[in-house]
Amino acid sequence: DGGITQSPKYLFRKEGQNVTLSCEQNLNHDAMYWYRQDPGQGLRLIYYSQIVNDFQKGDIAEGYSVSREKKESFPLTVTSAQKNPTAFYLCASSIAGGVTEAFFGQGTRLTVV
Amino acid sequence: AQSVSQHNHHVILSEAASLELGCNYSYGGTVNLFWYVQYPGQHLQLLLKYFSGDPLVKGIKGFEAEFIKSKFSFNLRKPSVQWSDTAEYFCAVSNSGGYQKVTFGIGTKLQVIP
Repeated sequence: DGGITQSPKYLFRKEGQNVTLSCEQNLNHDAMYWYRQDPGQGLRLIYYSQIVNDFQKGDIAEGYSVSREKKESFPLTVTSAQKNPTAFYLCASSIAGGVTEAFFGQGTRLTVV
Repeated sequence: AQSVSQHNHHVILSEAASLELGCNYSYGGTVNLFWYVQYPGQHLQLLLKYFSGDPLVKGIKGFEAEFIKSKFSFNLRKPSVQWSDTAEYFCAVSNSGGYQKVTFGIGTKLQVIP
């Protein structure tokens, strides 16, 4: 089945450690996105990528980094510089350009203790 | 920069009541507009979308939305809600062409009481 896979579903890390969240898609989509979902704040865009080896900062990129070495993969690293990393992270993909809808993964809930 | 504003953050309705959720966007160019829904414990999924043509768009499960360009609005409506419509609803906008960026509103939690 085609879709977006985020792993793991739940992740725990100690404060000060970097952590990488995985996002893989087999929909052959060019565009991929990372959002952070917090209660009362909706989905806020962290980073997005329209093509391999290219990505853009979203609205809340500070403390995060991404790479896009393969079309299928768009991993997100939450660094120790992110002041409030505990959140629900959603990855999405879409056909780049034109009128497209985004398809979402199940999300990863990161808890930093 | 584009932005999306959803006016109602939490709505409680009885079954069979009519629903209208407000959404306004801010962007100077041509936009694509979306409503997504997140049922409890499930993925975000598309409810409906507008890109051009008829400003009244029909989606799944009896939902519709109307694009009013002069008001920068894309309100979601349903004539008669059901308990199963209990979910969180997100309005989203993307710029047409170029480097496409999708921006979401903060969401509206809808609770339908049987």
